[in-house]
Amino acid sequence: KAGVTQTPRYLIKTRGQQVTLSCSPISGHRSVSWYQQTPGQGLQFLFEYFSETQRNKGNFPGRFSGRQFSNSRSEMNVSTLELGDSALYLCASSWTSGGGNTGELFFGEGSRLTVL
Amino acid sequence: AQKVTQAQTEISVVEKEDVTLDCVYETRDTTYYLFWYKQPPSGELVFLIRRNSFDEQNEISGRYSWNFQKSTSSFNFTITASQVVDSAVYFCALSVYNTDKLIFGTGTRLQVFP
Repeated sequence: KAGVTQTPRYLIKTRGQQVTLSCSPISGHRSVSWYQQTPGQGLQFLFEYFSETQRNKGNFPGRFSGRQFSNSRSEMNVSTLELGDSALYLCASSWTSGGGNTGELFFGEGSRLTVL
Repeated sequence: AQKVTQAQTEISVVEKEDVTLDCVYETRDTTYYLFWYKQPPSGELVFLIRRNSFDEQNEISGRYSWNFQKSTSSFNFTITASQVVDSAVYFCALSVYNTDKLIFGTGTRLQVFP
């Protein structure tokens, strides 16, 4: 069974540009969440999607956005990149039923973004 | 508000030693979940365990064991007979009912020397 797949794995952008990261969840998983990991702030929650609906959003500026498609794949976008956006962006999927039980979250290897 | 504290920033042990990683959490919710993840140098977070707030039974899986105590809001993780391959950063995390939003601790870097 394939795990969570994130693309691209590495990317370099310059300040002011925008970036789109992609996440394909484990087959059958309907919930996708995104996290940012930096040395200074650690692992921080960005968003959570279930059945194409954003269920939760972390404390990030509006430059960070995301969406989920009908096949459960998800993308996140960061516009007007800042140096501080350099981070490892991790995607996780779970078989959360939407009825309340928090599932086991399985993470991808992440997309490492460097902003110059 | 929810919070997870991993007071140990870094632990170094010699192979075959037992090591315990501490995790203390805060939440006002009565239903919540606790997790442990391992992050090797490759960066991927590897799921180790999930425990819900109503299940205080300790769990053992091979060399790994977990001690959940609601009275002290702790969910500690012990590795018995540590191995070099156990070297990684370990994260404890908390989520509340009906969400996949995880609140992570700052992690404990474990180094196991041969």
